[in-house]
Amino acid sequence: ETGVTQTPRHLVMGMTNKKSLKCEQHLGHNAMYWYKQSAKKPLELMFVYSLEERVENNSVPSRFSPECPNSSHLFLHLHTLQPEDSALYLCASSPLAFGSSPLHFGNGTRLTVT
Amino acid sequence: AQKITQTQPGMFVQEKEAVTLDCTYDTSDQSYGLFWYKQPSSGEMIFLIYQGSYDEQNATEGRYSLNFQKARKSANLVISASQLGDSAMYFCAMREGVGAGGTSYGKLTFGQGTILTVHP
Repeated sequence: ETGVTQTPRHLVMGMTNKKSLKCEQHLGHNAMYWYKQSAKKPLELMFVYSLEERVENNSVPSRFSPECPNSSHLFLHLHTLQPEDSALYLCASSPLAFGSSPLHFGNGTRLTVT
Repeated sequence: AQKITQTQPGMFVQEKEAVTLDCTYDTSDQSYGLFWYKQPSSGEMIFLIYQGSYDEQNATEGRYSLNFQKARKSANLVISASQLGDSAMYFCAMREGVGAGGTSYGKLTFGQGTILTVHP
């Protein structure tokens, strides 16, 4: 399998649940990203990992907890979410020598918080 | 201030016609890159075209071309010979700090997007 794969595609969770989003890339990239896409808003960068080290955290609430165990996998652990956290969560990857290289995105996880 | 501005929430075009999607940007960096992505209703983000700030020629990729006007800080996407499958959301994005010593870690900042509808 090639490209960036995100699972699950759809997730419905209650505010007291704990769940995790998974992202896997088979492109040999060393940088990975989580973006949030809410209706009528631009994509918002949440976290950036470079060589498995978190290098950026854009004031994301602590109820979102990322994990990057290796350069091919990225997780987003969710707990005690709010209804306004309902959105499309997109994972992306790129080579470190990014230059003109685009970000390669997965198909996203559509999250609904009830 | 927004770094990427797409002023057209929605655009309509007739099949086989050309359409221009607007994008203006704001940066103090000298070295940066501009990207366009297409997002169909399935949600996938598809990379279309790239323009570097030092590129002298406007980028072209098949039916996509970029009208890059550096002094005006605009990077408009032109789609020629529109097809029904072009109906989607289109995002303009910018990568700053691509020069030596930059610390952007490759991240992109996105505009609000433009929904393009192609009519038969």
